[in-house]
Amino acid sequence: GQQLNQSPQSMFIQEGEDVSMNCTSSSIFNTWLWYKQDPGEGPVLLIALYKAGELTSNGRLTAQFGITRKDSFLNISASIPSDVGIYFCAGRGGSNSGYALNFGKGTSLLVTP
Amino acid sequence: DTEVTQTPKHLVMGMTNKKSLKCEQHMGHRAMYWYKQKAKKPPELMFVYSYEKLSINESVPSRFSPECPNSSLLNLHLHALQPEDSALYLCASSQSEATDTQYFGPGTRLTVL
Repeated sequence: GQQLNQSPQSMFIQEGEDVSMNCTSSSIFNTWLWYKQDPGEGPVLLIALYKAGELTSNGRLTAQFGITRKDSFLNISASIPSDVGIYFCAGRGGSNSGYALNFGKGTSLLVTP
Repeated sequence: DTEVTQTPKHLVMGMTNKKSLKCEQHMGHRAMYWYKQKAKKPPELMFVYSYEKLSINESVPSRFSPECPNSSLLNLHLHALQPEDSALYLCASSQSEATDTQYFGPGTRLTVL
């Protein structure tokens, strides 16, 4: 599969701060997904995006599907300690590019009280 | 309900043992997946089952043998593993192989001695 470019690799912030992370791809995707993974657990789906330009919120989380269809970002507002974890973006192209999800390398988020 | 369950949670095995990992979902999903995840890395796709038939095998060594007894269950049979096979093994499911949103189970932490 194709590797996505996810940044930043890690973030160390104070509780209450806003967080932003993004993913870029060299090819066009039809879907962008954002997952959060706690240590020793499976990834949990946070937000799914299906249309270019789409902006979707889930509580304090907001994600957007880039207009070029080659990027996506995730924002977390007013971070809290339980936001700690690794955030993965994942994307998929059309059927002719295979059905596998392509994952970013992850953004490790640490939040101090 | 978007739950995928996996058993066991943890597994320690020797290189000559035979063991199996189990995954179950009751969401009516017709595609199920096995992923392997090393520490601080994104999940890597191993196998995809679609309508109980093996659809994708990402060149996985034959010491890993998947099985899909019915639409709700997915097994991964392990035999003669190597220490480098130690990892978190994740199961996921989606409505169909062409559906983008995959839901992950909590994973099985496998240690090969």
